[in-house]
Amino acid sequence: EDQVTQSPEALRLQEGESSSLNCSYTVSGLRGLFWYRQDPGKGPEFLFTLYSAGEEKEKERLKATLTKKESFLHITAPKPEDSATYLCAVHRVSYNTDKLIFGTGTRLQVFP
Amino acid sequence: DTEVTQTPKHLVMGMTNKKSLKCEQHMGHRAMYWYKQKAKKPPELMFVYSYEKLSINESVPSRFSPECPNSSLLNLHLHALQPEDSALYLCASSQDRGQRPQHFGDGTRLSIL
Repeated sequence: EDQVTQSPEALRLQEGESSSLNCSYTVSGLRGLFWYRQDPGKGPEFLFTLYSAGEEKEKERLKATLTKKESFLHITAPKPEDSATYLCAVHRVSYNTDKLIFGTGTRLQVFP
Repeated sequence: DTEVTQTPKHLVMGMTNKKSLKCEQHMGHRAMYWYKQKAKKPPELMFVYSYEKLSINESVPSRFSPECPNSSLLNLHLHALQPEDSALYLCASSQDRGQRPQHFGDGTRLSIL
């Protein structure tokens, strides 16, 4: 069964304390992995797309990496404004459909 | 600011009402999506339109009726909804179907009385 699992469910960091979020997947027909950020009451905001193992993308304090089984979102020296839920989604293609399969997200809180 | 605009932001309706949600994008995207998101859960796909034609219906009850009048607009018509349909309804668009990133609006918060 196709599955996308994110860990931890929740993460509390002190400002400046770097950490990583994990997204592991068992999906056949993978065609890309996406990271989104979602603030309360808002829609998901697109961050990164990764297509192949070994690929890395960076944006400000965020860096996303991809292996054959999982992806990491590294947050370097986070600030309180980085507090949000981070969602990972895998684009799966099968014979009759293609869709994003989302993980349940990691709720990140960064304290000053 | 998001480039996918959804209206209204909030909607309260009774179970016998008929209402519509509206989504608009001007990025030239040819694929548009409706998702439903419950509190502290990830978005769940409902419908996909590709080049203004319905291409995926994820077994959504008929009380939800999508419509794509043109390449920039997507509507979701609601009728005889149930309390469990209360959720955040998100619209998204992408350049086309396939592994392109989807860009989301901020959603309509729907409450069914």
